[in-house]
Amino acid sequence: KQEVTQIPAALSVPEGENLVLNCSFTDSAIYNLQWFRQDPGKGLTSLLLIQSSQREQTSGRLNASLDKSSGRSTLYIAASQPGDSATYLCAVKTGANNLFFGTGTRLTVIP
Amino acid sequence: KAGVTQTPRYLIKTRGQQVTLSCSPISGHRSVSWYQQTPGQGLQFLFEYFSETQRNKGNFPGRFSGRQFSNSRSEMNVSTLELGDSALYLCASSLHQGIGYEQYFGPGTRLTVT
Repeated sequence: KQEVTQIPAALSVPEGENLVLNCSFTDSAIYNLQWFRQDPGKGLTSLLLIQSSQREQTSGRLNASLDKSSGRSTLYIAASQPGDSATYLCAVKTGANNLFFGTGTRLTVIP
Repeated sequence: KAGVTQTPRYLIKTRGQQVTLSCSPISGHRSVSWYQQTPGQGLQFLFEYFSETQRNKGNFPGRFSGRQFSNSRSEMNVSTLELGDSALYLCASSLHQGIGYEQYFGPGTRLTVT
């Protein structure tokens, strides 16, 4: 069974700092990996989707990389802002059309 | 284009009751998936519907069921509610069934069982 782990569970950084969130998965036979943002009590907002054939995706200050063979992905956030404070979730899609989610990293950016 | 909508947004029920949650997918999307989010278990897949048929099911008891209508709208039902069913229930839609289609999530329904 696919298991997805995110480290760290919580992270607090001062505004303006660059940061990296980590995601690891046990079964490398994935079709894609997606990073989401979730604000307290709200739904999920998709940030980046990386297909299994891709190595990275970029959107604005966000860059996600994927190393399928080692079962790892990172989400890099440049020049963090207080508005980036949220929980970040990674999810992988395997053989069926459902996502396996990680445990999440709760990010706090301090003004 | 409107996003995925879920109703109601908040719900309080008593143990032993049943509840029905509704999800309207993005216009044109035909696949609807349901997920449960709890502090202890995180986000877990419940089931997926496409063309009014359940295509995929997660590891949940039979008290959790769903259906999809011809307009792709979906409902999920939980019977004989337990305290542990308190969770945020998220619905996601995708254009079609299949691994290559991105899922778009709704705001969720917060269910509290007392």
